[in-house]
Amino acid sequence: AQSVTQPDIHITVSEGASLELRCNYSYGATPYLFWYVQSPGQGLQLLLKYFSGDTLVQGIKGFEAEFKRSQSSFNLRKPSVHWSDAAEYFCAVVMGGSQGNLIFGKGTKLSVKP
Amino acid sequence: GAVVSQHPSWVICKSGTSVKIECRSLDFQATTMFWYRQFPKQSLMLMATSNEGSKATYEQGVEKDKFLINHASLTLSTLTVTSAHPEDSSFYICSVLYQHQETQYFGPGTRLLVL
Repeated sequence: AQSVTQPDIHITVSEGASLELRCNYSYGATPYLFWYVQSPGQGLQLLLKYFSGDTLVQGIKGFEAEFKRSQSSFNLRKPSVHWSDAAEYFCAVVMGGSQGNLIFGKGTKLSVKP
Repeated sequence: GAVVSQHPSWVICKSGTSVKIECRSLDFQATTMFWYRQFPKQSLMLMATSNEGSKATYEQGVEKDKFLINHASLTLSTLTVTSAHPEDSSFYICSVLYQHQETQYFGPGTRLLVL
């Protein structure tokens, strides 16, 4: 079955430290890949997306993600985390031109220590 | 990205009453909108796909007579929770599909509390 896995439920990093959030998908072809961020009580904001081309994509707020076909992964990274980055992060995919229907991972909650 | 609004942002109602939530696409015409439900500390669950001018497509297990969706214009979709019960209390989020980008943009969500 098609699925998205975010292995880490909760991650805590120190402010200024680097961050990597993991995302793996299960699908026969390359899906469209997205990372969204949700602050408490808010909707989702698009950080970045990958459809094709350069496998390293840059997003907003200093985030980037790298698509690795061999690992079916699309991990999110940030070189230096800020306290305002504390939020819930969702990886999502669109499989095979399904009219944009997103399949979400369960999310990773990021806490930032001062 | 696209700008999406939802109204109200939160609502408290009595059990048995109906509640209408609006989702508006503010800067482009959206043929397709989505409605999601999110329980605390969980991911989003797709409830239905709303297509302008036609009936919504509901996900398995979502009662279409309970959650009425109307997408009467290219900028507005509404979700009406009919005869609400406490178990309907949740965070409801809509999104619009920007088809040229194959990307969904989300509204800020509506928190519903049914007493």
